Amino acid sequence: EVQLVESGGVVVQPGGSLRLSCAASGFTFDDYTMHWVRQAPGKGLEWVSLISWDGGSTYYADSVKGRFTISRDNSKNSLYLQMNSLRTEDTALYYCAKDMVQGVIITWRFDYWGQGTLVTVSS
Amino acid sequence: AIRMTQSPSSLSASTGDRVTITCRASQGISSYLAWYQQKPGKAPKLLIYAASTLQSGVPSRFSGSGSGTDFTLTISCLQSEDFATYYCQQYYSYPGTFGQGTKVEIK
Repeated sequence: EVQLVESGGVVVQPGGSLRLSCAASGFTFDDYTMHWVRQAPGKGLEWVSLISWDGGSTYYADSVKGRFTISRDNSKNSLYLQMNSLRTEDTALYYCAKDMVQGVIITWRFDYWGQGTLVTVSS
Repeated sequence: AIRMTQSPSSLSASTGDRVTITCRASQGISSYLAWYQQKPGKAPKLLIYAASTLQSGVPSRFSGSGSGTDFTLTISCLQSEDFATYYCQQYYSYPGTFGQGTKVEIK
């Protein structure tokens, strides 16, 4: 059974930093592109970032570019999101999500999601 | 970025009703469209991709159609477990963008 378990969400002050983690199991982690998607309270879904299966390619939403860094450790079946210079508008539930197709193709279709970890940016 | 607009934003329906949700893209996206269902306090669930392909395990009462800029999600006979918020998402171009969601509520 595929499982994605996020952690690391806390309350942080504007300008602060945070590192989110996502522990994956139930599939061959290093075969798949992985994504972070967020959802502000009561709002819709916003894609944040992706990393290719080997970590060689990363992409970011314009809203987080230059502030967030995605990474992965395939030996630990783990995905990370380093979040710096946090803003109040970054307050959201952050989901890690698995791309649907294995290998080099990035489909942007998310077939498994974690339950999310809540990041609150507030003074 | 491609803008996705769903309509309506919310609707009220009864169990057994046929429900249709529309999603419009700001430019042509061929059939690169997915639909997700999200229940309160839960993660989104992939229902349909490639505009009309049902994800494994999704009941056949769900169907999708369309191509280019206009798409629909239809629930043929609404069940109690279908009351949720539905999102469309284009994956034709980076970044994959979502619609604002359609909340299906009990009438």
